[in-house]
Amino acid sequence: NAGVTQTPKFQVLKTGQSMTLQCAQDMNHEYMSWYRQDPGMGLRLIHYSVGAGITDQGEVPNGYNVSRSTTEDFPLRLLSAAPSQTSVYFCASSLQGNTEAFFGQGTRLTVV
Amino acid sequence: KNEVEQSPQNLTAQEEEFITINCSYSVGISALHWLQQHPGGGIVSLFMLSSGKKKHGRLIATINIQEKHSSLHITASHPRDSAVYICAVRKGAQKLVFGQGTRLTINP
Repeated sequence: NAGVTQTPKFQVLKTGQSMTLQCAQDMNHEYMSWYRQDPGMGLRLIHYSVGAGITDQGEVPNGYNVSRSTTEDFPLRLLSAAPSQTSVYFCASSLQGNTEAFFGQGTRLTVV
Repeated sequence: KNEVEQSPQNLTAQEEEFITINCSYSVGISALHWLQQHPGGGIVSLFMLSSGKKKHGRLIATINIQEKHSSLHITASHPRDSAVYICAVRKGAQKLVFGQGTRLTINP
């Protein structure tokens, strides 16, 4: 039972590079979201999706894009990486928005 | 002021001690979550509750909606309980707002 799978686990980028963080879930969950976790701060919502084809911005969306072409996948794209995007990123899913949330293992991203 | 405040921020205790972590929030919520994060690890959901009390093994979570307060208790604590415990509240139908976490260390 895979749950929520995030790849990669670690990534180092140079300023200005682009990349995609992958998130996949096999629980047929409608609701998926991306968070970033920074020292001394709680997790903050970047983008979320309530179903295939529907996405919306969270608290800190600037510099990130998402799409939801299938129920299973919710990739997060960094268009032009900046040092301020150095963080640990978590993907989460839930059956609906108000049910138990399942988290991936996280992606530790460093932008130099 | 953060919408979700946890206390204490750091807690060190001896094995077998009874542990309490507190969470206060200032907004209307539909549910409250307690999560656990081990060092370098992912985040695991411990409880989701909207009223009363829930128990799972040595963990107990309570919530008082009127006082906007929740507590997570660990009985007979063990070094493997060492982790960061995170309180999160659900505002409306979808969005989670997180506390800063409580770092718990249990010494043998």
